[in-house]
Amino acid sequence: VQLVESGGGLVQPGRSLKLSCAASGFTFTNHYMAWVRQAPKKGLEWVATISSSGSRTYYADSVKGRFTVSRDNAKSSLYLQMNSLKSEDTATYYCARDDWFAYWGQGTLVTVSS
Amino acid sequence: VQMTQSPSYLAASPGESISISCKASRSISNNLAWYQEKPGKANKLLIHSASTLQSGTPSRFSGSGSGTDFTLTIRSLESEDFAVYYCQQFNEYPLTFGSGTKLEIK
Repeated sequence: VQLVESGGGLVQPGRSLKLSCAASGFTFTNHYMAWVRQAPKKGLEWVATISSSGSRTYYADSVKGRFTVSRDNAKSSLYLQMNSLKSEDTATYYCARDDWFAYWGQGTLVTVSS
Repeated sequence: VQMTQSPSYLAASPGESISISCKASRSISNNLAWYQEKPGKANKLLIHSASTLQSGTPSRFSGSGSGTDFTLTIRSLESEDFAVYYCQQFNEYPLTFGSGTKLEIK
């Protein structure tokens, strides 16, 4: 199982960014997937989960209405569209396979700063 | 569901045994997992369903509890066990983590 995040970087407050997670080594279509983040020197925070078909999504209150999780099962890829970014969204973002988060990527750093 | 994890910091010596507590603000049945975080490594699922060892987790790790009170115990600490540990509830959305316990070598 391999999960590889990409798309992080430095972005100004109020702007948008889209993260990607490329999955391999398992049948992507069989699994819910999730995004988890960790602000610098802070703990883990669940961000969003998407069902295996993509028909159901769940969000943390802190990102609801600003972030959208999606997936492309044909490409075994997970996405996180982040809009109206705030400084408090600065974190390393991890994708995880949502069976008890048994597998995690190495993360991609998002820095929101002017 | 709020997860209250304690202690936030723990110093112990190799060979000792330690326990970490995780309390849920309401019942989560046994829908709890424990993770290990180490610098430069992907987070590792240690235990799920409160007490089921994930494949590859050494038997010196154990989890117990149900409802609101949970414990992670590590018997006979080894050098590789010094890390940060988190609990997480999977009973309902939003999923929530404990605040973490940093286990350091004394």
